Amino acid sequence: NAGVTQTPKFQVLKTGQSMTLQCAQDMNHNSMYWYRQDPGMGLRLIYYSASEGTTDKGEVPNGYNVSRLNKREFSLRLESAAPSQTSVYFCASSARPRQGGQPQHFGDGTRLSIL
Amino acid sequence: AQRVTQPEKLLSVFKGAPVELKCNYSYSGSPELFWYVQYSRQRLQLLLRHISRESIKGFTADLNKGETSFHLKKPFAQEEDSAMYYCALRDSSYKLIFGSGTRLLVRP
Repeated sequence: NAGVTQTPKFQVLKTGQSMTLQCAQDMNHNSMYWYRQDPGMGLRLIYYSASEGTTDKGEVPNGYNVSRLNKREFSLRLESAAPSQTSVYFCASSARPRQGGQPQHFGDGTRLSIL
Repeated sequence: AQRVTQPEKLLSVFKGAPVELKCNYSYSGSPELFWYVQYSRQRLQLLLRHISRESIKGFTADLNKGETSFHLKKPFAQEEDSAMYYCALRDSSYKLIFGSGTRLLVRP
């Protein structure tokens, strides 16, 4: 099993361009998450989807949109990229959230640079 | 406010020395805490969780509600333990709140 797969692995954008980061999981997990990782700030939650058909804002949602396309896929879209969105983006998934102790499984990350 | 604090950005020890990575949390409910690790060029992965009371790769972590801490310990560090370590708290909505991370460097 691949687990959580993110595409692309690297991307460079110009300010104002749009882009969609793709994430897919093959573990039949209900919940999926998008984080950004910045130096000295750890991982911050952008958006999450507790189950298929639902999405909710996390700590830093401004400038982003998400789509839970189906149970497997959860995409993150930057409509008009800004240099402040330069970061490493991680997608994660977990089993049904009400089962205590369920860990999140992470993808390899997408390194995004915005010039 | 819910918060996870890892006060050390970098912890450098020699091989064989004891290691303690500090984690303090702020949470009004009953906390559920995790340690995640990211080795060089690998994805972030779960190391251990407090409800399991387990020891993984020689690491243990005890939840101390009085001190609101969940420090990660290992009695004898190995070079392969060098990595980035994140403490995380699961909130009432089952989201994870991460600390800023501590880079552990184990020198030969």
